[in-house]
Amino acid sequence: DGGITQSPKYLFRKEGQNVTLSCEQNLNHDAMYWYRQDPGQGLRLIYYSQIVNDFQKGDIAEGYSVSREKKESFPLTVTSAQKNPTAFYLCASSKGQQETQYFGPGTRLLVL
Amino acid sequence: AQRVTQPEKLLSVFKGAPVELKCNYSYSGSPELFWYVQYSRQRLQLLLRHISRESIKGFTADLNKGETSFHLKKPFAQEEDSAMYYCALIAGGSYIPTFGRGTSLIVHP
Repeated sequence: DGGITQSPKYLFRKEGQNVTLSCEQNLNHDAMYWYRQDPGQGLRLIYYSQIVNDFQKGDIAEGYSVSREKKESFPLTVTSAQKNPTAFYLCASSKGQQETQYFGPGTRLLVL
Repeated sequence: AQRVTQPEKLLSVFKGAPVELKCNYSYSGSPELFWYVQYSRQRLQLLLRHISRESIKGFTADLNKGETSFHLKKPFAQEEDSAMYYCALIAGGSYIPTFGRGTSLIVHP
């Protein structure tokens, strides 16, 4: 069950701490995405990247940062500026425009 | 901007009953529409998409441009269909899907 992987499965953050969520794909997809999933809210887009070394803010980018140095990798950093980080985070990738998204298993972030 | 509405947060049916999960969208162009499903303890995955016109696990969805809907239907629900279902739209020339808020389907034995 490869394709797209996320780690860790659970992550705990202390107040004022930055944490980084990993996302890797071996599907040779150009586009990658980060979503936040909260109960009753559906999926909300945090950041996306259509190509290496380029990324764009989504609907709820404040308090988050990303990088796309390699095609296979799209890590997400949840900074201390994100005041409500407790959520389930999903990474996805797709081949191109109007294409199916393939999702990772998710990371659940909890605040201590 | 496009919008996807799934009016039911929860849909509860008995095994063998027909099921219809509603999805309405607002977009003036030619969208590509998808249904994604998330079973318990599994990752979110594609169920079906408009362009392929397939029937997956007995589910079908027809694009109705006049009513701007893409409802998901199955004539006889099974217990294993219990899951969270998301409708999504991608506008022409875009990479970015707009997701509905999801409908939780529970199929009782």
